[in-house]
Amino acid sequence: DAGVIQSPRHEVTEMGQEVTLRCKPISGHNSLFWYRQTMMRGLELLIYFNNNVPIDDSGMPEDRFSAKMPNASFSTLKIQPSEPRDSAVYFCASSLMGAAVTGELFFGEGSRLTVL
Amino acid sequence: SQQGEEDPQALSIQEGENATMNCSYKTSINNLQWYRQNSGRGLVHLILIRSNEREKHSGRLRVTLDTSKKSSSLLITASRAADTASYFCATDAQGGSEKLVFGKGTKLTVNP
Repeated sequence: DAGVIQSPRHEVTEMGQEVTLRCKPISGHNSLFWYRQTMMRGLELLIYFNNNVPIDDSGMPEDRFSAKMPNASFSTLKIQPSEPRDSAVYFCASSLMGAAVTGELFFGEGSRLTVL
Repeated sequence: SQQGEEDPQALSIQEGENATMNCSYKTSINNLQWYRQNSGRGLVHLILIRSNEREKHSGRLRVTLDTSKKSSSLLITASRAADTASYFCATDAQGGSEKLVFGKGTKLTVNP
């Protein structure tokens, strides 16, 4: 299995620009999670989907952030407009959930975002 | 917040020694998981322990869970330089939540 695939691995952009991060989960997994990792705040859960439906987006920092999952094999996290404080590593993870019990998460290698 | 907190924040040991990392959390859980992250990489699942289990082993890893104290420990025996990484505990919330919340991790350095 190819694992969770994220793109781009690195992105450098200027403040105000739109950023789109992409994720392909493991085939057959029914839940997808977006996390953000910084030195100061650690790993923060931004949003998660179950069967392509957003279940909890309470971690999304503000309206500049949006996430979609149009089908079971693709998700995007968009930041518009981007700000320097959005600089972080963004991780996508997928899992096979059952009966609302959290199982093992499989993480991608992350997208390192730098906003100048 | 149900976020787990690892202790210590950093740990440096010699190859062959044992490494113990601790995790405390605040709310009742269904299970607790430990993950490892090598520098610049994604997190990798190590072991999951359910709330009705007290101890679990996997190779050189031993995890304990004390739900009365809301704490867990991860023991790595006979450490190797390749064990150098950050280790995170993660908890869900009892009651059906699928959210997995991570602590800030313990950075382990194993010196050859």
